[in-house]
Amino acid sequence: GENVEQHPSTLSVQEGDSAVIKCTYSDSASNYFPWYKQELGKRPQLIIDIRSNVGEKKDQRIAVTLNKTAKHFSLHITETQPEDSAVYFCAASIFGNEKLTFGTGTRLTIIP
Amino acid sequence: KAGVTQTPRYLIKTRGQQVTLSCSPISGHRSVSWYQQTPGQGLQFLFEYFSETQRNKGNFPGRFSGRQFSNSRSEMNVSTLELGDSALYLCASSPGQGGNTEAFFGQGTRLTVV
Repeated sequence: GENVEQHPSTLSVQEGDSAVIKCTYSDSASNYFPWYKQELGKRPQLIIDIRSNVGEKKDQRIAVTLNKTAKHFSLHITETQPEDSAVYFCAASIFGNEKLTFGTGTRLTIIP
Repeated sequence: KAGVTQTPRYLIKTRGQQVTLSCSPISGHRSVSWYQQTPGQGLQFLFEYFSETQRNKGNFPGRFSGRQFSNSRSEMNVSTLELGDSALYLCASSPGQGGNTEAFFGQGTRLTVV
C-alpha cells in the first residue's frame, strides 16, 4: 500500500522567514496530494492541494510543488506569521479513492 | 452549511467494553471516512463508507467496525476495548462521487480507555 514520509517532524522559524516541509510517497498511482493544518485541539483543515497534472500551485503565502518523477511534494510558507504555528500533515490518495494516506506531521513553531 | 459533527466529544471507557461513535457529514456528502489519530502513529485510515457500503478498509483488526445509514450518517464501533485504542477518532466527509475533493473533518471524539 501507499506510504508517505514527512520531514522534518519539528520546525522552528523566525517570524517573517520561510518554512518548507517535504513529503515523499511510494505509490506511483497516487495523484492527489492535499496538505492539512491542525491547530492545537482543533480539527485538521485543508490549506492547499495539488493534482498530478500540475507541478506547482500557489495561494497567497502558501505554495505546493510536486515532482512526480521523484515522487515527492513540498509545502512552502513564506512571510511566516505567529498564526502559522500548528501541525501540518501531507497526504496522498489515488484518483477516485477517498482514502488518504497521511505523513506523520510537522510541528511548525513561529518564533516572534 | 453545517460542518461535520461528531458525538460524543469525549469518552472514557474501561478495557473490555465496547463503544459507538457517531458522525454526521455535511449535507449532500455521501462519503464518510474514519481515521484514528495518535501521537505516535499520526492519522491512520480505518474505513470509508459510501451509500451505506464499506468501500475502503484500512489495516485495523476486526474489533473496529462501522456502518452508514441512508441519510449518510455513520457510526463506528470498537469492541473489546484495549488500552492502545485510546486516541482521537476523526471522521471526514466528502461528496465521494468521483475525483478527489476536499475531505472535511469533524472535531473528533477523544476516547480514553482505562
